[in-house]
Amino acid sequence: QQQVKQSPQSLIVQKGGISIINCAYENTAFDYFPWYQQFPGKGPALLIAIRPDVSEKKEGRFTISFNKSAKQFSLHIMDSQPGDSATYFCAASIEGSQGNLIFGKGTKLSVKP
Amino acid sequence: DAGVTQSPTHLIKTRGQQVTLRCSPKSGHDTVSWYQQALGQGPQFIFQYYEEEERQRGNFPDRFSGHQFPNYSSELNVNALLLGDSALYLCASSLVMGQGMNEQFFGPGTRLTVL
Repeated sequence: QQQVKQSPQSLIVQKGGISIINCAYENTAFDYFPWYQQFPGKGPALLIAIRPDVSEKKEGRFTISFNKSAKQFSLHIMDSQPGDSATYFCAASIEGSQGNLIFGKGTKLSVKP
Repeated sequence: DAGVTQSPTHLIKTRGQQVTLRCSPKSGHDTVSWYQQALGQGPQFIFQYYEEEERQRGNFPDRFSGHQFPNYSSELNVNALLLGDSALYLCASSLVMGQGMNEQFFGPGTRLTVL
């Protein structure tokens, strides 16, 4: 059962462009939504996270947009750089569950110079 | 400040064997979670340890077991290995907090290959 659906599966963006990755969830009890970045041969690294009491959170070039009514959230990478080329995962959890992160299947981002 | 460390980096086993993977959490963290990441997939939650007890478990069979030590480090044991157990095994550490987001920090993983 896929509780967090992520799209697209892969994405190619030109340097300087905007990368947008979307996720949709089913369980309305989810209240914590992080995004992770993973390079080949490495573990996932926390990029940015949001709770459903805000609609947007920005950290540097990375922004999460959250739509509670639609049960969707997205990651926007502004001014995308070749160094951003990696696989990105959205995830969701219930704060009280402490640790059971449900991940999407990932989006492989390639930023062309 | 050392991050999450895991050992070994790579491991090759044959079907039916048993394997033990190890994890040391980030300094100051008291909770360890284990995830299995199949090739091309997102990580899947196996279980979480806090205060040396399994606190929560995902949809994995009893062949998967774990342990947490008094220094918060942890082991993942898998018995009767199957070909389908081939994956990257990730350890994540966090700090139990009364409030706030459940920030988990991942280690580099152990790549297990079952032949």
